[in-house]
Amino acid sequence: NAGVTQTPKFRVLKTGQSMTLLCAQDMNHEYMYWYRQDPGMGLRLIHYSVGEGTTAKGEVPDGYNVSRLKKQNFLLGLESAAPSQTSVYFCASGPYSNQPQHFGDGTRLSIL
Amino acid sequence: EDQVTQSPEALRLQEGESSSLNCSYTVSGLRGLFWYRQDPGKGPEFLFTLYSAGEEKEKERLKATLTKKESFLHITAPKPEDSATYLCAVQDTDSWGKLQFGAGTQVVVTP
Repeated sequence: NAGVTQTPKFRVLKTGQSMTLLCAQDMNHEYMYWYRQDPGMGLRLIHYSVGEGTTAKGEVPDGYNVSRLKKQNFLLGLESAAPSQTSVYFCASGPYSNQPQHFGDGTRLSIL
Repeated sequence: EDQVTQSPEALRLQEGESSSLNCSYTVSGLRGLFWYRQDPGKGPEFLFTLYSAGEEKEKERLKATLTKKESFLHITAPKPEDSATYLCAVQDTDSWGKLQFGAGTQVVVTP
């Protein structure tokens, strides 16, 4: 029973490099979210999707792009990584807007 | 703008010593308030959803309550395995499922 799976679990990048974080869910959920978690600041929403083919900006979208080509996958891209993007990234999914979100175990990203 | 404030930031308890965590919030209209538990190196794990003032939910040693301005998570006779960071999040009525999280309360329960 996988739930929400994030790939990779850890990554170190150099400033200016690009990468894509993958989130996959096997619960047939419509809603998917990308958050970042920084010490003392709680989880902040980057982008979200309310269904296949849709995406929308969250609280802190600058420097990130997303795509939801398939219902079960939600990709987060960093086109030109910056040290300020060093963080732990969490993906979540949920069946409806007022139902609990289920989280993956995160991707720990360091940008040097 | 939605705001969520959790207190205290950290709490150290002896095993069996009951206590409460606070989550105060400001939203234009509350669709739901969510409590999560997060262990080190893991993602948040869902605990409770509360939808209206006066509602209460219980699970083992945890009990969550809700008023119009705040929620409490009561930990009764905690055990060391209750050590974790507890997160509170609110959803506004027009938020399309988006959650606004508090910074969390880190709880350590010692034997």
